[in-house]
Amino acid sequence: GIQVEQSPPDLILQEGANSTLRCNFSDSVNNLQWFHQNPWGQLINLFYIPSGTKQNGRLSATTVATERYSLLYISSSQTTDSGVYFCAPTSGGYQKVTFGTGTKLQVIP
Amino acid sequence: ETGVTQTPRHLVMGMTNKKSLKCEQHLGHNAMYWYKQSAKKPLELMFVYSLEERVENNSVPSRFSPECPNSSHLFLHLHTLQPEDSALYLCASSQAPGYNYGYTFGSGTRLTVV
Repeated sequence: GIQVEQSPPDLILQEGANSTLRCNFSDSVNNLQWFHQNPWGQLINLFYIPSGTKQNGRLSATTVATERYSLLYISSSQTTDSGVYFCAPTSGGYQKVTFGTGTKLQVIP
Repeated sequence: ETGVTQTPRHLVMGMTNKKSLKCEQHLGHNAMYWYKQSAKKPLELMFVYSLEERVENNSVPSRFSPECPNSSHLFLHLHTLQPEDSALYLCASSQAPGYNYGYTFGSGTRLTVV
């Protein structure tokens, strides 16, 4: 099956800083989702992005499917951005969604 | 509130107990999923239901038994679990099982098997 690697695995930011999270995948994909899991376990869908760039407030995502990677940009980080960020590409005959191991982000005041 | 509700939020059960996890979605979606999230491991897909029919079973042990009585409700029946089954169990839904549709997750049930 498809392999999904996320980097960095852990990240500590000062509040107000910017960051880029990366997701590499080993096979062609039909689509890709980015999720944020808060410290209480709730997973929230941030982006649904098969290709190109999307923006939502301080967050934006870019997927380059032909080169098998996606990037999540966080600008002017806030403490509420803390948690784990997962990318989840969709691939295969039954459009299976595979989750990466995540990037754990801690934003400190 | 995401529109997908899971109960209970926390559950502690003995290895000989029988319990059930419940998931309900109010989004009009037709596909529902159970995922298991263990410490330091990626989310593992357990089951996929589409229009109340199980379409995927990811080699899950028989001590986990799913049930989908209608497109809004999904259960996971648990019996004779092992301590290594302790994890966060997440339910998700999507408009249909396919790459055109994003997932909406519930808050999860944190299960501890003692």
